[in-house]
Amino acid sequence: AQSVAQPEDQVNVAEGNPLTVKCTYSVSGNPYLFWYVQYPNRGLQFLLKYITGDNLVKGSYGFEAEFNKSQTSFHLKKPSALVSDSALYFCAVPLNTGNQFYFGTGTSLTVIP
Amino acid sequence: NAGVTQTPKFQVLKTGQSMTLQCAQDMNHEYMSWYRQDPGMGLRLIHYSVGAGITDQGEVPNGYNVSRSTTEDFPLRLLSAAPSQTSVYFCATAKYSGGVSYEQYFGPGTRLTVT
Repeated sequence: AQSVAQPEDQVNVAEGNPLTVKCTYSVSGNPYLFWYVQYPNRGLQFLLKYITGDNLVKGSYGFEAEFNKSQTSFHLKKPSALVSDSALYFCAVPLNTGNQFYFGTGTSLTVIP
Repeated sequence: NAGVTQTPKFQVLKTGQSMTLQCAQDMNHEYMSWYRQDPGMGLRLIHYSVGAGITDQGEVPNGYNVSRSTTEDFPLRLLSAAPSQTSVYFCATAKYSGGVSYEQYFGPGTRLTVT
């Protein structure tokens, strides 16, 4: 079955440092992979997606993600963290039918001033 | 252009009561879905629809009912509320093409408490 895992519940990083939020996937065939962000008391917002092509995907707010097939990972990255990046981050994968999505359990990112 | 709207924002129900959570979109998206978000469990899909008149169950459909009579609206009905349905509920929409739904756009959520 298609699934994703986010191994870290919480990530802390100092402002200005690079950040990484991890996601690994278990997918048969070519994966479609997504990242979303949720700010407090808000709905999720789409950040970026990998469908095919370049392994480095660029998205909103300066975020990017690297697709690594050998490590079955799709980690979210940003070169320089901002305090305003503090939020909950979810990776997601569509199930085989393409009509349902499986979301990871989320990683809470805190950027320390 | 409001995007995806949900009403109400907050609701408190007593066990056994019924209610309908409203979701409306003006994005002309074929795909609409309902999720619940619980601490430590991420988002879980309740029901979804790929177009007017078409609905299907997700991962956790029990205790919930949906219908899709128009492209714009996708209400979620709680038939007989239980404390286990205390959660934050999100509606989401997406383009749908070739049997695949794409990135989803989420509403602001409804926080439901069942006592």
